[in-house]
Amino acid sequence: DVKVTQSSRYLVKRTGEKVFLECVQDMDHENMFWYRQDPGLGLRLIYFSYDVKMKEKGDIPEGYSVSREKKERFSLILESASTNQTSMYLCASSERTGMKETQYFGPGTRLLVL
Amino acid sequence: RKEVEQDPGPFNVPEGATVAFNCTYSNSASQSFFWYRQDCRKEPKLLMSVYSSGNEDGRFTAQLNRASQYISLLIRDSKLSDSATYLCVVSRGNTPLVFGKGTRLSVIA
Repeated sequence: DVKVTQSSRYLVKRTGEKVFLECVQDMDHENMFWYRQDPGLGLRLIYFSYDVKMKEKGDIPEGYSVSREKKERFSLILESASTNQTSMYLCASSERTGMKETQYFGPGTRLLVL
Repeated sequence: RKEVEQDPGPFNVPEGATVAFNCTYSNSASQSFFWYRQDCRKEPKLLMSVYSSGNEDGRFTAQLNRASQYISLLIRDSKLSDSATYLCVVSRGNTPLVFGKGTRLSVIA
């Protein structure tokens, strides 16, 4: 069974703090993703990675960076947290077989920035 | 125009009812299509893939209309446990999946 784990379920930080969100998957997937989800806005892609040490900007990368030093781990970094980064953050990994790609999501981290 | 569009709902239906959701996509290069389900305060999970010929999984039927660029999900004999948000998802191949904002379904006893 595929498992994607995220380091925290709930996190409270102060404006200006550096925040690390960790994600680990145990299925040897090449692809990993970070999303945020806000009411009425759906899932929005922040960054993704198709290989170790590789990263690509998604739709809303501003204010975020990522790190993929090992295949199983994809970290999201908020360099200086702001209140508008209060959100639910979801990590996912995927495998692609022909035309079919299935994404497996972690349980999410609810981040509150005060 | 958004790449994937869904009616946000909510759809409030009684137990046992049949309910259908549609989703339209704008990019004709889209190759693969899926429905994901997301329960309240949980992560999304794959419900089913959508094939050109249409496919069924128990009470759930998914259909694709490439000419009109829409996909549909039909749920028969709705159960209380079907209450969730249903996300329409489109793949263009070597780029990340594109998720719709979701349609909320509430099945009422």
